[in-house]
Amino acid sequence: DQQVKQNSPSLSVQEGRISILNCDYTNSMFDYFLWYKKYPAEGPTFLISISSIKDKNEDGRFTVFLNKSAKHLSLHIVPSQPGDSAVYFCAARAITGGTSYGKLTFGQGTILTVHP
Amino acid sequence: EPEVTQTPSHQVTQMGQEVILRCVPISNHLYFYWYRQILGQKVEFLVSFYNNEISEKSEIFDDQFSVERPDGSNFTLKIRSTKLEDSAMYFCASSEGGAWFNYGYTFGSGTRLTVV
Repeated sequence: DQQVKQNSPSLSVQEGRISILNCDYTNSMFDYFLWYKKYPAEGPTFLISISSIKDKNEDGRFTVFLNKSAKHLSLHIVPSQPGDSAVYFCAARAITGGTSYGKLTFGQGTILTVHP
Repeated sequence: EPEVTQTPSHQVTQMGQEVILRCVPISNHLYFYWYRQILGQKVEFLVSFYNNEISEKSEIFDDQFSVERPDGSNFTLKIRSTKLEDSAMYFCASSEGGAWFNYGYTFGSGTRLTVV
């Protein structure tokens, strides 16, 4: 099941610079996309989301961009901070058959390391 | 901030034994989920639960698995006869709404299940 793919297993960024995490998807039924951050031995923590009817959503240092024609989304973190170092997961939700109870399909995750 | 609470944080069990993983979702949430993450792999959907019944389940969620909401607060995942490949981190999640609710899902910190 490769419906949601994060092709970069890791990303290393200097503090203060921009971090760009990418995610591609194949299922055109996905209508809602989410980014989660995860520290070791903890559950995923919701960061930001975007509906398929939008192309951008911003929340403080975090911005998510959605390109539906390319089936691609990205998370921008500006400026990056050492505390942002974690695994970032892209997730998507599909409306199947007109109903959905909110099942999320996750990507493999990208390990972000922000160096001081 | 409201939390999803999972117990125990770590459980070791012998192959063939039954295990029950427990979760207390956020009190006003209506949709409940179990996900799992095998070490080094993606977070995978197992099951969603709404209105006291399973609303959606994955291929992983076979007859060995069951879920229950025995009272107004707990949500449990039972594995009847554990196999080595059931070793994973199991995450409970809850949300106020299902498909038509655009909001982040809140995850618990997980139960690490080790089958020996």
